[in-house]
Amino acid sequence: DVKVTQSSRYLVKRTGEKVFLECVQDMDHENMFWYRQDPGLGLRLIYFSYDVKMKEKGDIPEGYSVSREKKERFSLILESASTNQTSMYLCASSVQSGGSNEQYFGPGTRLTVT
Amino acid sequence: GQQLNQSPQSMFIQEGEDVSMNCTSSSIFNTWLWYKQDPGEGPVLLIALYKAGELTSNGRLTAQFGITRKDSFLNISASIPSDVGIYFCAGIGPRLTGGGNKLTFGTGTQLKVEL
Repeated sequence: DVKVTQSSRYLVKRTGEKVFLECVQDMDHENMFWYRQDPGLGLRLIYFSYDVKMKEKGDIPEGYSVSREKKERFSLILESASTNQTSMYLCASSVQSGGSNEQYFGPGTRLTVT
Repeated sequence: GQQLNQSPQSMFIQEGEDVSMNCTSSSIFNTWLWYKQDPGEGPVLLIALYKAGELTSNGRLTAQFGITRKDSFLNISASIPSDVGIYFCAGIGPRLTGGGNKLTFGTGTQLKVEL
């Protein structure tokens, strides 16, 4: 079974703090993704990575950065957290090529910025 | 970003009833995926569809890839209380730079089952 894990299920941070969200997958997937999910807005892609040290902006990258130093790990960084970054953050992974395009999601991190 | 049009937005049904929901797009997709999300959890993949006209089952769930490649349908037969949750469709669009495939998500269908 594919397993995607996220470092925290719940996180509370103060405005201006630097926040790290970690994601690890154990299926040797090349692609990894970070989304945020908000009521009424659905899932929105923040950043993705298709290889170690490679990253591409998604639809809403502002205020975020990412790091992929190892294939299995993809980190989302909020350099200076703001209240509008309070959200559910979801990590996903998928294989690079071939017929299978399925993305597998982690359990999510609910971040509250006060 | 674009969202797929998913309907109905919510459903309140009796246990044992069959459920149908659909997802439509103005664009053609090569892959359709259906996910279920429980409150406070990440989406779980239910069914993947890769070919126009394809009909695939997973237990009581059946999904179809529309012939026009612009829609997909999910049916749940004989619903049970644990079917409660939000169901999302997702289409695979153009390939992203360097690889990977971007998902375009539906707006979600919230299913509530009455005992």
